[in-house]
Amino acid sequence: DVKVTQSSRYLVKRTGEKVFLECVQDMDHENMFWYRQDPGLGLRLIYFSYDVKMKEKGDIPEGYSVSREKKERFSLILESASTNQTSMYLCASSFGGEGSYNEQFFGPGTRLTVL
Amino acid sequence: AQSVTQPDIHITVSEGASLELRCNYSYGATPYLFWYVQSPGQGLQLLLKYFSGDTLVQGIKGFEAEFKRSQSSFNLRKPSVHWSDAAEYFCAVVTFGNEKLTFGTGTRLTIIP
Repeated sequence: DVKVTQSSRYLVKRTGEKVFLECVQDMDHENMFWYRQDPGLGLRLIYFSYDVKMKEKGDIPEGYSVSREKKERFSLILESASTNQTSMYLCASSFGGEGSYNEQFFGPGTRLTVL
Repeated sequence: AQSVTQPDIHITVSEGASLELRCNYSYGATPYLFWYVQSPGQGLQLLLKYFSGDTLVQGIKGFEAEFKRSQSSFNLRKPSVHWSDAAEYFCAVVTFGNEKLTFGTGTRLTIIP
């Protein structure tokens, strides 16, 4: 079974803190994705990566950065957390690299609250 | 830009009744289409996908979906729902040359006894 794990299910941080959300997949997938999920807005893509050390901006990259030093790990970084970043964050992975349209496998999500 | 519309925010269905969840997309060419389900507290799980070929697609858990090019729709159906089908359902699309998935806003399904 494909497994995508996220470091925390729930996280509470204060405004201005630097926040790291970690995602690990165990299926040797090339592609990894970070989404945020908000009621009434569905899932919106923040960043994605087709390979180690590669990153591409999604639809809402402002206020976020990412790091992919190893193939299995994709980190989302909030440099200075703000209350409008309170959300559910979902990580996903898929095989195939750039130009592929394969099924994405999702982690359980991290519910982040910024006070 | 591609977009996906799920016009029903919330649907309530009796257990054993049939179900249809609507999905419309906006794109000139034929897209690749997906339905995902999210159970409470869980990540998303793929129910089914359409890339080409037969326009009626079978998925897991007894779900099916039909691609209708003329209506730009990809509606999800199940002939008889079970209480365990209560969840949120997302339609998603990806188009050639733009590999990012675009999701609809989701439909929450409630099952009543």
